[in-house]
Amino acid sequence: GENVEQHPSTLSVQEGDSAVIKCTYSDSASNYFPWYKQELGKRPQLIIDIRSNVGEKKDQRIAVTLNKTAKHFSLHITETQPEDSAVYFCAASNTGNQFYFGTGTSLTVIP
Amino acid sequence: SQTIHQWPATLVQPVGSPLSLECTVEGTSNPNLYWYRQAAGRGLQLLFYSVGIGQISSEVPQNLSASRPQDRQFILSSKKLLLSDSGFYLCAWTGGGTYEQYFGPGTRLTVT
Repeated sequence: GENVEQHPSTLSVQEGDSAVIKCTYSDSASNYFPWYKQELGKRPQLIIDIRSNVGEKKDQRIAVTLNKTAKHFSLHITETQPEDSAVYFCAASNTGNQFYFGTGTSLTVIP
Repeated sequence: SQTIHQWPATLVQPVGSPLSLECTVEGTSNPNLYWYRQAAGRGLQLLFYSVGIGQISSEVPQNLSASRPQDRQFILSSKKLLLSDSGFYLCAWTGGGTYEQYFGPGTRLTVT
């Protein structure tokens, strides 16, 4: 089956700096890669996703890049704000039926 | 628009007692439905997923079971809870021709 690894497990940045979270996957058949943000005690929220036919996708301060050859994808958050503090999860899916999640990155933005 | 409901929101149960958690989705037909468990400070563990009524796939062997009696209803059950069953239980769905997966508000279960 698919195996998704996520790094780092914790990340602290100064407000205004950028944050990068990286994930690798093992199954070359995976073709959909979402990112979720989970605030303390709440449900994960889909913040951005990318399909395998696209190399990069942006939504305001958030971007995701995908390298199919190397089987890795990354989340980039620019101009970080305190409200970006949360746990972020990456995931991979090859059918839209099963989703395999990374272990999460706890991001702290220091004001 | 689509909405996903879970209840109860919180639950405290003694070891050995039964469990029934319910999830319903509104505003879509024939969704894929999922049950995840999240232990405190940990990641998401897929427990079950269903692509249709009566069709359940189990990812992790354990004392939990799932059923899908109706198209938009997914139930997680246990006959006898263990302490290790404590956690945050999340229902999720995909559908409408997209891969986007959305989570319900979750049930926080404490087994004492």
